[in-house]
Amino acid sequence: GDSVTQTEGLVTLTEGLPVMLNCTYQTAYSTFLFWYVQHLNEAPKLLLKSSTDNKRTEHQGFHATLHKSSSSFHLQKSSAQLSDSALYYCALTSGGNYKPTFGKGTSLVVHP
Amino acid sequence: AQTIHQWPVAEIKAVGSPLSLGCTIKGKSSPNLYWYWQATGGTLQQLFYSITVGQVESVVQLNLSASRPKDDQFILSTEKLLLSHSGFYLCAWSLRGANERLFFGHGTKLSVL
Repeated sequence: GDSVTQTEGLVTLTEGLPVMLNCTYQTAYSTFLFWYVQHLNEAPKLLLKSSTDNKRTEHQGFHATLHKSSSSFHLQKSSAQLSDSALYYCALTSGGNYKPTFGKGTSLVVHP
Repeated sequence: AQTIHQWPVAEIKAVGSPLSLGCTIKGKSSPNLYWYWQATGGTLQQLFYSITVGQVESVVQLNLSASRPKDDQFILSTEKLLLSHSGFYLCAWSLRGANERLFFGHGTKLSVL
């Protein structure tokens, strides 16, 4: 079946440093990848959705590029802000599945 | 515009008592519906999903059940709560199709004492 792997459970950064959260996936079908962000005591909301292969998607200072050759959709930002502290989920939907598959999430903590 | 409403916002319940959580989606017909659970400080775990009225698939049951009595309504329930049921319950919907995103409700915080 489909699977999503987020290797880091916790990432701690100093404000101003670059952010990179890893996401790799496995599926036998055509797929779309998503990043959702969940701030404390809030519901998850969509941050980014993948476009075509090797095309960069950007929103709110974050960006990600779907690389089918490496089955990856890593989330990046050039400079972390305190308000970026949150839980980030990578998820995929595929042509072979009715339900999205989520990774275990990465908690990002940005400190001054 | 589509709206998703979850009720109640929060519940404090005793172990062994029944529970019913609800979710209503307005402005969209025949959505896919989902229930997720999140332990305090934990990650999202999918519980149930439904693609049509009367049809619910279980992903992880956790001694809970779900029903879809109407196209726009999704209910999560149990007859006997356990301490381990505490956490944050999220309802979500999506359009049909492999490229569709999820829209989450605001969630219900459940404390079982």
